[in-house]
Amino acid sequence: SQELEQSPQSLIVQEGKNLTINCTSSKTLYGLYWYKQKYGEGLIFLMMLQKGGEEKSHEKITAKLDEKKQQSSLHITASQPSHAGIYLCGADAQTGANNLFFGTGTRLTVIP
Amino acid sequence: SQTIHQWPATLVQPVGSPLSLECTVEGTSNPNLYWYRQAAGRGLQLLFYSIGIDQISSEVPQNLSASRPQDRQFILSSKKLLLSDSGFYLCAWSPNAVEKLFFGSGTQLSVL
Repeated sequence: SQELEQSPQSLIVQEGKNLTINCTSSKTLYGLYWYKQKYGEGLIFLMMLQKGGEEKSHEKITAKLDEKKQQSSLHITASQPSHAGIYLCGADAQTGANNLFFGTGTRLTVIP
Repeated sequence: SQTIHQWPATLVQPVGSPLSLECTVEGTSNPNLYWYRQAAGRGLQLLFYSIGIDQISSEVPQNLSASRPQDRQFILSSKKLLLSDSGFYLCAWSPNAVEKLFFGSGTQLSVL
C-alpha cells in the first residue's frame, strides 16, 4: 500500500528563519495536499498540488511537487510564531471518493 | 458559506461504554463525508467515508461504525469502547471526489 513519510518529525526554529518540510511517497502521487493543524484542533487546508513540477505559494508558504510526483516540500520563509503547529501532507488514495491518507506530520515550533 | 460542526470537543468514557459522535455540515448539499482518527504519535487514519445517505464505506475493520441518517449528518458510533479507541476524531467533508477536504474542529476521546 502507498505510504507517506514526512521529515523531519519535529522542528524547532528561531523566528525569522526559513525552514523546509518534506513529504515522500512510495508511489506516484495523483493529488498532494498540505494541511496545518493547531494542537487539538481541526485541519486547515494550505495547498493542493497535482502536476509534476507544480509550485504554489500563499503568503510566506511555498509548496512544490517534484517532476516524478513522488516528493513534495513545504517551505516557510521568515517563520513567525503563527506558523507553529503540525503540518500534514495528504495524498489522494485514488478510490474515486476523494479519500486522503496522511503522513505522520511534522510538529513545528517557532521561538520568538 | 459552508460550515462543519463536530461535537463534543472532548469526551472521557469508560471501557465498554457506548459512543456517539456527531458531525453536521451546513451550506451545501450531498457532500462527501469522512471520519478520520488521529492516534497519539500517529498520522491521520481514514475510518469511514460516505458519498450519500446510507452509503457508508469502511476503510479499517474495527470496533466502530458510522451512519448517515440525513444528507448532511454523519455519526460515528460504538457499542462498546475499547482502550485502543482513544484518539482525536476528525470529521471532514468535500463537495465532490476531487475537491479538497474541509475538517471539523475534532473530538478528543479518552477511553479509561
